[in-house]
Amino acid sequence: AQSVTQLDSQVPVFEEAPVELRCNYSSSVSVYLFWYVQYPNQGLQLLLKYLSGSTLVKGINGFEAEFNKSQTSFHLRKPSVHISDTAEYFCAVTPNDYKLSFGAGTTVTVRA
Amino acid sequence: NAGVTQTPKFQVLKTGQSMTLQCAQDMNHNSMYWYRQDPGMGLRLIYYSASEGTTDKGEVPNGYNVSRLNKREFSLRLESAAPSQTSVYFCASRDLTDTQYFGPGTRLTVL
Repeated sequence: AQSVTQLDSQVPVFEEAPVELRCNYSSSVSVYLFWYVQYPNQGLQLLLKYLSGSTLVKGINGFEAEFNKSQTSFHLRKPSVHISDTAEYFCAVTPNDYKLSFGAGTTVTVRA
Repeated sequence: NAGVTQTPKFQVLKTGQSMTLQCAQDMNHNSMYWYRQDPGMGLRLIYYSASEGTTDKGEVPNGYNVSRLNKREFSLRLESAAPSQTSVYFCASRDLTDTQYFGPGTRLTVL
């Protein structure tokens, strides 16, 4: 079975500052990794994913994430955030068995 | 292309009442899912359907039943609602790269 730990439940950040959201996972097999974003009162939408290949993955809205197999991590970063990045962010993994395991989520609040 | 649609958007039930949450996708995906989202717990899988005609339990199936009506539609039924089932329910479908696409959610309150 897989498990996902998002190390920060809340991350306050000032506009135009960088942000990093940490995600660690445990699995006995190779996994695919995802970051989803949920804006207030909406469903989840995909930010980026790692399936194979380059360990640095670029997604929408200027986000990127790096897969580190030795540390079993998939941290999400953005060099300069906007007010509109205020949302909840979920890390998720799957060993390609049809099911995703989600972390508990990180709420990012961007302040002017 | 509507993606994944869910009805209703909001629902209030009394303990013991029953209801069905509807979900449909127009992306021709084989796999569909039902999740519940509770504060601080992320999304937890209730049931999934890997393909038309099959359904399987997820992490928290107790108190729920599902029907994969056809390739497009996957419904979730609460036979006798309990306050512990107050939650936001999301339906999703999955493409061939394991990416899941989510509906807008149903906010359910059980009094």
